[in-house]
Amino acid sequence: GQNIDQPTEMTATEGAIVQINCTYQTSGFNGLFWYQQHAGEAPTFLSYNVLDGLEEKGRFSSFLSRSKGYSYLLLKELQMKDSASYLCAVKDSNYQLIWGAGTKLIIKP
Amino acid sequence: GAVVSQHPSWVICKSGTSVKIECRSLDFQATTMFWYRQFPKQSLMLMATSNEGSKATYEQGVEKDKFLINHASLTLSTLTVTSAHPEDSSFYICSASTTGTSGSSTQYFGPGTRLTVL
Repeated sequence: GQNIDQPTEMTATEGAIVQINCTYQTSGFNGLFWYQQHAGEAPTFLSYNVLDGLEEKGRFSSFLSRSKGYSYLLLKELQMKDSASYLCAVKDSNYQLIWGAGTKLIIKP
Repeated sequence: GAVVSQHPSWVICKSGTSVKIECRSLDFQATTMFWYRQFPKQSLMLMATSNEGSKATYEQGVEKDKFLINHASLTLSTLTVTSAHPEDSSFYICSASTTGTSGSSTQYFGPGTRLTVL
């Protein structure tokens, strides 16, 4: 079967750095996405990785290792507004997006 | 760019009535649109994928006669929940993709519609 694993919940301190991991087992791979979802709102697109390596976009960076079936989202200089769920999703060989359950990130002052 | 709107943002209806939710891509043409539902504290569940001008493809377990999807144009898709019941109460979210389902195509989400069936 297809599976996306990410931690259920993480806690971090304002101003710090946090890394949210995602491991996947899918039938084929056509890219990995990270989305941010605030409570009661729809997801917003953060990043897309299809090749190995690190993609940096401001305070957020996303890393991919296809051989390990592994990605992480790195958030720097955490702000209170970063408190949200972070969803990892992988496109399989049929270009269908397989979603992880999301990681709820709690930022404390 | 890549803005998707949804209407209504919330709706409360009586059991047995039908509810229509509209999803529009405002500044791009959406070849493909997706409909999701999300229960509290759970992940997104894909209900169906629709391409403009063709019938929607429903995920296993989703009743196509209950959840009617119409994708009449490249900027509009509608989801109609027919004969809604309390168990249909959920957060319904649409997303739109600019270039179908290819690897790099990104889904942009609407703000969601919270449906409560009494």
